[in-house]
Amino acid sequence: DAGVIQSPRHEVTEMGQEVTLRCKPISGHNSLFWYRQTMMRGLELLIYFNNNVPIDDSGMPEDRFSAKMPNASFSTLKIQPSEPRDSAVYFCASSFASGAYEQYFGPGTRLTVT
Amino acid sequence: RKEVEQDPGPFNVPEGATVAFNCTYSNSASQSFFWYRQDCRKEPKLLMSVYSSGNEDGRFTAQLNRASQYISLLIRDSKLSDSATYLCVVNAGNQFYFGTGTSLTVIP
Repeated sequence: DAGVIQSPRHEVTEMGQEVTLRCKPISGHNSLFWYRQTMMRGLELLIYFNNNVPIDDSGMPEDRFSAKMPNASFSTLKIQPSEPRDSAVYFCASSFASGAYEQYFGPGTRLTVT
Repeated sequence: RKEVEQDPGPFNVPEGATVAFNCTYSNSASQSFFWYRQDCRKEPKLLMSVYSSGNEDGRFTAQLNRASQYISLLIRDSKLSDSATYLCVVNAGNQFYFGTGTSLTVIP
């Protein structure tokens, strides 16, 4: 059984560059979540989708961040332009439905912006 | 005030010890509760859900106290492999709130 798949696993980029993170949720799950984790702030929810529709993006830090889910099996999180303070681990998670169901996390993308 | 608060620890306990973590939440309308485990440089993984009546899974016991708005996790007979960060998670409506995690190190 394939879990949540994320790519790339590691990304090192220079300040000002565009970064695109990718996620494939578990088949059959209809909720998808993007999180950011840092030592200082812990795990923060950035945005989540239900049936491919963004439901709550209040956690997206600023306009430099955008997320899309064009279909049930693919989502992207884009940062343009990237800044050093964006350095973090970005996790994608999926669940059967938002609400009471547990979330399954992907392995994360470790982003370093120099 | 944070939605979910946990003591960050660290908790350093000898093998075989019993250790307990608590987590408080602020939203009285919270509906579902979970404990996740996160190993160093890995993703969080579900450890167990927390049910109103309390539940047990081997050496792990989770309890919910709605009146005082906290959940707890008890680990008996600690193993070296239990060393990790334990995150409590609270669901209210469509929102999931993660605690910042409690770090546990089990010492030989």
